[in-house]
Amino acid sequence: AQTVTQSQPEMSVQEAETVTLSCTYDTSENNYYLFWYKQPPSRQMILVIRQEAYKQQNATENRFSVNFQKAAKSFSLKISDSQLGDTAMYFCAFMAPLNTGNQFYFGTGTSLTVIP
Amino acid sequence: DVKVTQSSRYLVKRTGEKVFLECVQDMDHENMFWYRQDPGLGLRLIYFSYDVKMKEKGDIPEGYSVSREKKERFSLILESASTNQTSMYLCASSPRPVNEQFFGPGTRLTVL
Repeated sequence: AQTVTQSQPEMSVQEAETVTLSCTYDTSENNYYLFWYKQPPSRQMILVIRQEAYKQQNATENRFSVNFQKAAKSFSLKISDSQLGDTAMYFCAFMAPLNTGNQFYFGTGTSLTVIP
Repeated sequence: DVKVTQSSRYLVKRTGEKVFLECVQDMDHENMFWYRQDPGLGLRLIYFSYDVKMKEKGDIPEGYSVSREKKERFSLILESASTNQTSMYLCASSPRPVNEQFFGPGTRLTVL
């Protein structure tokens, strides 16, 4: 079974500072994908960043980057130069293409507040 | 842009009513999913479908059923709504091979 753990229910960061959100997962699969999704207040869930497990290089998307430690099964999200619009729930997710359904497994989320 | 739409943003129903939640995607995706989102519990998968007329149970299927008669539409049905089904319901779709899931705006269902 696949599990995803986010141990930080709530976090806050000053505007323009850097914050790191933690995520660990458990799997016996070797081929899988990891994701960070963002859900702003009362708005749609959107993809922030994606990492393929076979790629050693950490994914980056503008101010968002990940620290992917495959052996440790850790997948943290770093947000640099935090902006007020980064205030949201952040979900870590795992997917292994095991079957035709391609089920995603989500963590319980981290509520991030950016303080002006 | 991929678009996933859900029939209602807010819905209020009474205990025992039959409830239909509709989801439509416009990108010809094979896979569709229904989740419920509750504080502290994250997203929990109710049902998913990888093809028309195909369905698979997720982690919490009890009290729910689904229907997928057309590729673009995936319906979640609460046969007899109960107060413990008050929640946010999210629909998602993904192509095959999967690169991400695309989410709808959600339906906040309140069962009185």
